[in-house]
Amino acid sequence: DAGVTQSPTHLIKTRGQQVTLRCSPKSGHDTVSWYQQALGQGPQFIFQYYEEEERQRGNFPDRFSGHQFPNYSSELNVNALLLGDSALYLCASSFRDRYYEQYFGPGTRLTVT
Amino acid sequence: KQEVTQIPAALSVPEGENLVLNCSFTDSAIYNLQWFRQDPGKGLTSLLLIQSSQREQTSGRLNASLDKSSGRSTLYIAASQPGDSATYLCAACSGNTGKLIFGQGTTLQVKP
Repeated sequence: DAGVTQSPTHLIKTRGQQVTLRCSPKSGHDTVSWYQQALGQGPQFIFQYYEEEERQRGNFPDRFSGHQFPNYSSELNVNALLLGDSALYLCASSFRDRYYEQYFGPGTRLTVT
Repeated sequence: KQEVTQIPAALSVPEGENLVLNCSFTDSAIYNLQWFRQDPGKGLTSLLLIQSSQREQTSGRLNASLDKSSGRSTLYIAASQPGDSATYLCAACSGNTGKLIFGQGTTLQVKP
């Protein structure tokens, strides 16, 4: 049973560019949450997707957007990249009735130069 | 607005020592509190989850407690080992959707 997978593992982008990160949830899970973790900080909630809709959103600008597909996988898109967007982006999946059991992926390390 | 704080930010102990990591939260209306482990550059591994109705949870050498009235949780690690070296994060779940509010973490180093 594959756990949560994320791609790519590492990514280097230039300021102003756009990036797409991908996440496949654990088998049987239907909810995907995205977190940003800056170096030396705890993860911060970006948003959560359930039934292909954004259900909750943290304090992040509209440059951060997402999508959930019918197979429950998800994408995180960031437009007009800033140096401050450099971070580890974590995806977590859960099942709607057991929201408290969240499984995290290994993350995507994004570096903006 | 829920805020989670972890003290200390870093801790270094000799192997075999028992230790306590602290976590405090500002809003006692939490659904649960979780402790995670994170190795450098890696994702998060869930260690213990305490539901709001529970006082503590145990797994092997780990014991986590929850005191909602005082807004505190502790993670007790018994007989620490070098393999326990990692960053430990606590997270409060303040809604029924699983949104987690994390502390900044405590980086633990256990010296052989």
